[in-house]
Amino acid sequence: AQSVTQLGSHVSVSEGALVLLRCNYSSSVPPYLFWYVQYPNQGLQLLLKYTSAATLVKGINGFEAEFKKSETSFHLTKPSAHMSDAAEYFCAVSFYGSSNTGKLIFGQGTTLQVKP
Amino acid sequence: EPEVTQTPSHQVTQMGQEVILRCVPISNHLYFYWYRQILGQKVEFLVSFYNNEISEKSEIFDDQFSVERPDGSNFTLKIRSTKLEDSAMYFCASSGGGQETQYFGPGTRLLVL
Repeated sequence: AQSVTQLGSHVSVSEGALVLLRCNYSSSVPPYLFWYVQYPNQGLQLLLKYTSAATLVKGINGFEAEFKKSETSFHLTKPSAHMSDAAEYFCAVSFYGSSNTGKLIFGQGTTLQVKP
Repeated sequence: EPEVTQTPSHQVTQMGQEVILRCVPISNHLYFYWYRQILGQKVEFLVSFYNNEISEKSEIFDDQFSVERPDGSNFTLKIRSTKLEDSAMYFCASSGGGQETQYFGPGTRLLVL
């Protein structure tokens, strides 16, 4: 069975500071991993995804994430937070295989607050 | 840029009533999904749909729920007899393949009174 755990339901950083949002996964098969962002009153937008190519994945808006198999982690980082980064961030897992329907399993989400 | 659209954006209904949530996926996509997010909780998978049939469904997706692709563009989620606990944001998503990126619509906020 697959699952995703996001450590910290709320993270607060100052503008210009490093953003680190944590995600750990559990999967019995090699996973696909995703980070989605949700701005208020909007749908989910893909930030980046890992699909077994490079372990360091770069996404939109300066975000990146590193797949660490030994730690079963896929933490999201951004070197310098911007006010516009304030949103809800979701980590999700899927897997590849002949029976894959593409179902995404999401973590609980982390609300990022950026203080001026 | 192509996008997934959903209607209505908000719906209020009485318990026991039927509701139909509508989605227009991206036009050349083949896989379609419904997810829901109860307020304050995680996004949960409901159902996936491919080749005009359900390919996978969750435990949440019981007999009260059904999906349909009535024509070449719409993808609908029907809840036959709504319950209070069906109140949630419902997201539609589509992708070009089972292992490809899913694109989400803006959601329909359903409130059951």
